Amino acid sequence: GNSVTQMEGPVTLSEEAFLTINCTYTATGYPSLFWYVQYPGEGLQLLLKATKADDKGSNKGFEATYRKETTSFHLEKGSVQVSDSAVYFCALRRGQGGSEKLVFGKGMKLTVNP
Amino acid sequence: DGGITQSPKYLFRKEGQNVTLSCEQNLNHDAMYWYRQDPGQGLRLIYYSQIVNDFQKGDIAEGYSVSREKKESFPLTVTSAQKNPTAFYLCASSIVGGSTEAFFGQGTRLTVV
Repeated sequence: GNSVTQMEGPVTLSEEAFLTINCTYTATGYPSLFWYVQYPGEGLQLLLKATKADDKGSNKGFEATYRKETTSFHLEKGSVQVSDSAVYFCALRRGQGGSEKLVFGKGMKLTVNP
Repeated sequence: DGGITQSPKYLFRKEGQNVTLSCEQNLNHDAMYWYRQDPGQGLRLIYYSQIVNDFQKGDIAEGYSVSREKKESFPLTVTSAQKNPTAFYLCASSIVGGSTEAFFGQGTRLTVV
């Protein structure tokens, strides 16, 4: 079946540090890939997405590239801020054959200190 | 503004009581989902629905029930059969099929005492 494996943390960084959160997936066909962010006490917000191989999603300084050859979708940011403190989830969804539900990784809690 | 509304944000219930969590969306989405979130376990799918009057069990459906009488609404009932109901519950919706993302509500934190 479809699955997502991501770094679980927790991770603590200093402001302006470089961030990488690894995410790999297992899926048949060609899934769409997503990164969601969850701030304390809130629901999930879409951070970025990519729908086909070699696509790069980007938003708010975060980037991730859909790598089919390594089945990966690693999230990166060059310089994190305190406001980036949150839980980050990698997810996939196969669009073929009707409504395929989202499959999530376990999430990674990031704390950024000033 | 279009979006998903979950209510209430916090809910307290006594052990053995059924409780219903509300989820309403005005995004005109056909698919709706309920997830449960526990610390360190990510999101686990409880139920999902692709069309009115139809729904399917997810990975952890035992002790829960849902209905989908209207496109906009997908309420979740946590029954007394759910052994450990204290958790954060998230509702989401999406277009059926395709490669689109799901949109989430703000969540309901249920505490059973």
